[in-house]
Amino acid sequence: AQSVTQLDSQVPVFEEAPVELRCNYSSSVSVYLFWYVQYPNQGLQLLLKYLSGSTLVKGINGFEAEFNKSQTSFHLRKPSVHISDTAEYFCAVSAYTGGFKTIFGAGTRLFVKA
Amino acid sequence: EAGVAQSPRYKIIEKRQSVAFWCNPISGHATLYWYQQILGQGPKLLIQFQNNGVVDDSQLPKDRFSAERLKGVDSTLKIQPAKLEDSAVYLCASSSRQEGQPQHFGDGTRLSIL
Repeated sequence: AQSVTQLDSQVPVFEEAPVELRCNYSSSVSVYLFWYVQYPNQGLQLLLKYLSGSTLVKGINGFEAEFNKSQTSFHLRKPSVHISDTAEYFCAVSAYTGGFKTIFGAGTRLFVKA
Repeated sequence: EAGVAQSPRYKIIEKRQSVAFWCNPISGHATLYWYQQILGQGPKLLIQFQNNGVVDDSQLPKDRFSAERLKGVDSTLKIQPAKLEDSAVYLCASSSRQEGQPQHFGDGTRLSIL
């Protein structure tokens, strides 16, 4: 079975500063990796996904993530955040274990301060 | 493309009452998911359908929760009777059958149990 650990429950950062949200996973089989964002009173929206190929993945709103197979990590980064990036961010892992199953992390609350 | 539609957006009931939620997925999406998201946590899968068949309902409390997806399109999730710990946001998501495809989420139903 796979698992996902988001290492920070909350990340406060000042506007225009860089940010990294950390995600580690475990799985005995190959995985697909996703980052989703959730704004208040809304569902989750896909930021980016890693299926195969280049380990650096670019997503929407200036976010990117790097897949590191040896460290089983998929950290999310943005070089300069905006107030509007304040939201909950979820890392998710999908793997085939008798059927494709997706597990979500507990989430990281990004709070951007002026 | 129209997104995943859910109703109602909010529901308040007393414990031991029953409640039902409705979801209409993106047209053509074969896979439909129901998640429970408790405040401050990531989404937890309750049930996954492939067309009108159940793929995974291992975490569905079957003594009180039920779900159906008649005709392989829209779906209903029911709770009967509700308990205080069922207070949460219930998210519906859909995806295509293709391997590694992301899930598309509705805005959820926020359920409060008094």
